[in-house]
Amino acid sequence: GESVGLHLPTLSVQEGDNSIINCAYSNSASDYFIWYKQESGKGPQFIIDIRSNMDKRQGQRVTVLLNKTVKHLSLQIAATQPGDSAVYFCAENMTRYGGSQGNLIFGKGTKLSVKP
Amino acid sequence: DVKVTQSSRYLVKRTGEKVFLECVQDMDHENMFWYRQDPGLGLRLIYFSYDVKMKEKGDIPEGYSVSREKKERFSLILESASTNQTSMYLCASGTSGVTDTQYFGPGTRLTVL
Repeated sequence: GESVGLHLPTLSVQEGDNSIINCAYSNSASDYFIWYKQESGKGPQFIIDIRSNMDKRQGQRVTVLLNKTVKHLSLQIAATQPGDSAVYFCAENMTRYGGSQGNLIFGKGTKLSVKP
Repeated sequence: DVKVTQSSRYLVKRTGEKVFLECVQDMDHENMFWYRQDPGLGLRLIYFSYDVKMKEKGDIPEGYSVSREKKERFSLILESASTNQTSMYLCASGTSGVTDTQYFGPGTRLTVL
């Protein structure tokens, strides 16, 4: 099975509330993590990333938290807006296929629905 | 901004046809990837390439082949399309290194009848 997964397949929040999307990973050697957003009918879009030497990184309205002790990653979206409705994927970077880098392992995604 | 383009947004083909999906990136990235995305299965890697004329099998290469004759272009080929290849196909590109963000194209929705 995949080493990256999500606790919840769907999440519904009220507009203006904060959203938290969680992700568990199993490879303690992974050292780079990314969150993607995928809107309906579009390709995944990079949101924010974090390296394993950090435990928190902030962007515009988004924060990623990394807990290496329990191998857990979360994406926090502040003041969630209708435009945030999408599927969110986490991904980890690990070396595979004979050592070539650049391959990501993706979680299956969490669908975020924002209620007006 | 990184731009990854795919030749078609929607494609309908018949069983047994040969299908070409083209992907072009404009950021001089070494790595390029083809995924398929199916409900409940997430993103699955079909093939990737880390250099011109180089290719590596991903998790589900059966029934597919690829071509990378130029750095900016990566083609996915279905030699004989089958109905179980109906899917969303996503191309991505990225650099090599520890921080390997992949940038995705808009996707091609392929239907095989």
